[in-house]
Formats: sequence, C-alpha cells, structure tokens
Amino acid sequence: SYVLTQPPSVSVAPGQTARITCGGNNIGTKSVHWYQQKPGQAPVLVVYDDSDRPSGIPERFSGSNSGNTATLTITRVEAGDEADYYCQVWDDRSDIVTFGGGTKLTVL
Amino acid sequence: VQLVESGGGLIQPGGSLRLSCGASGFSVNSNYMSWVRQAPGKGLEWVSVIYSGGSTYYAEAVRGRFTISRDNSETTVHLQMTSLRAEDTAIYYCATANPGDAYNSLFFDNWGQGTLVTVSP
Repeated sequence: SYVLTQPPSVSVAPGQTARITCGGNNIGTKSVHWYQQKPGQAPVLVVYDDSDRPSGIPERFSGSNSGNTATLTITRVEAGDEADYYCQVWDDRSDIVTFGGGTKLTVL
Repeated sequence: VQLVESGGGLIQPGGSLRLSCGASGFSVNSNYMSWVRQAPGKGLEWVSVIYSGGSTYYAEAVRGRFTISRDNSETTVHLQMTSLRAEDTAIYYCATANPGDAYNSLFFDNWGQGTLVTVSP
C-alpha cells in the first residue's frame, strides 16, 4: 500500500511562512490534496490537484508537488491557521485513497 | 450542499450498525460519495467510496465487513457495518468525492459533521 509521511508537528510565529511536507514514493506523479481540521470540526479542503484552491480559501494557502515531496505553504500565518493538516492521494489503479498521518501546526 | 450523518452509537464487538448520510442540494446517485473515519485522537482514514456508476471500493481494514450503498431516493448513502471491532471506534464522516480535472485525482470537497461509533462491551 502507498504510504504518505508527514512531520507530526510544525511551529511558526505569526506573520511568518509555514511549510508542511508530505513525502511519498514518486508522489510527483500523483495529484495531492490538502485538508485543514480544527478541533471538534470536520476537515476542510484547502488545496486540491497539487496547487488549486477551492473558492473561499485565502491565497495565503498554496501547494506544490515534485519528485518525492508535496508541500503545503501557508504565508503570513495567523492564529486562526492553527490546526491539523492532512495530505491525501488516490491511486486510480487500485481505487484506494491514502491520507498522510497529519501535521499539527502550532502558531507561536 | 449539505451532508448529515446519523446512525452512530454504542455497539458491542461483533455487532452490526448501519450509518446513513442524508444529502441535500444534489443527487448522491450523480456523484461519487465516500466515508472517512477518525479514531479518537488519531488521523483521517479512508473507508469506502461509491462511484456514480455504482462501483464500490473499500479500505483493506474494512473489506468484507462494511458495505456502502445508495437508496432509491437519491438523497441517502449508507454504510452497513458488520463484525464490528474495537478498532472500528471512530467518528465516521460522509463526504462528496470529486474526481477533479487533473490526472489521477480524487478529493473530498464537502464533508458532514460526522457520527460517532463506539465499539465496546
């Protein structure tokens, strides 16, 4: 089965840039999607197809994907960005969805 | 688009439970629909998907025990769970699955608030 590896935690000061990575074998050949989940709430899609944003998601959220690493970048981090973030891919050969283990973003 | 899950509760190991996901604003028959779960304090785990054509797929952890289906009302998706185990304890989310425009893409763009399933003696 395909494995996605995320750092358990990332910390950043307000106003700075947070980068959350998602590692996987040749992940650059897949479409990667990112979700934000705040405590007690359902996940929210923040980036899809590597770098597209759903309507209503601030431009501060962006994504990239190449080689063995996909990255979610959050610029000008705000206190409200503190949450768990998950990456996700789909394998069209097996029709299996895989989530990363999640990264807790702490705003210092 | 609104998704509302129901049917969760406390169930003994080995028991069965059926979860429902009521959809408003669209037809579940015309969309891909999925279930994703989250054990207490843990990450997201994909459970199952049903495509608009009716094909169904499952995570290895639940294959053979869980069944995803739609009803004729076109407004409800179900997850029939049998032979439940303690490790099935989780919040179960219903979500719409979008194939997107990119190659090899499937993502979840609308989520319900979830229903809690607790498997315990």
